[in-house]
Amino acid sequence: DSGVTQTPKHLITATGQRVTLRCSPRSGDLSVYWYQQSLDQGLQFLIQYYNGEERAKGNILERFSAQQFPDLHSELNLSSLELGDSALYFCASSMSGRSDNEQFFGPGTRLTVL
Amino acid sequence: GQNIDQPTEMTATEGAIVQINCTYQTSGFNGLFWYQQHAGEAPTFLSYNVLDGLEEKGRFSSFLSRSKGYSYLLLKELQMKDSASYLCALYTGGFKTIFGAGTRLFVKA
Repeated sequence: DSGVTQTPKHLITATGQRVTLRCSPRSGDLSVYWYQQSLDQGLQFLIQYYNGEERAKGNILERFSAQQFPDLHSELNLSSLELGDSALYFCASSMSGRSDNEQFFGPGTRLTVL
Repeated sequence: GQNIDQPTEMTATEGAIVQINCTYQTSGFNGLFWYQQHAGEAPTFLSYNVLDGLEEKGRFSSFLSRSKGYSYLLLKELQMKDSASYLCALYTGGFKTIFGAGTRLFVKA
């Protein structure tokens, strides 16, 4: 158990819909990272927040957005969902804003878009 | 941009030693990670190399050569539970971690 929690564990929805994935980092960690992992793409970095502010952006689509709240939990919002958005979405946390810290991954949210 | 290459799959025997290679092309990076990921589970940290050379941690060692654009993860005394995917990742600065597609390792009895 890494100490990072993600909800929900599974999510099944239809194309065109909007969903919110939630992540709580380990106690004391200020950085939250979001990753997408699909079968054909491997683990893709989406976005990083540090202490409430966006720190780095990866291959995140415009239909996706995220935020980190004052209590440091984070939410990833996925809208206008497409079949290709079906994937495992991981959240990770680390103590500092630097990505060379070990990142602790949550168990993931498996999103299925039908 | 960055490009990371790893073999897709490898098979090794319980008790043996296996070396998983990772080659990369990048204009610059701060360090290189190795993560282990069992099927359907979250990745877990194995190592982070900044300087050239070998870093040993129990049964696992990781090596980096910046001049050759090359890293490897060495697993000794293989156990069945080592069957997993092994992900090589670059910390490129700009606060980004870029992962390779991973190598799926099968350990057979």
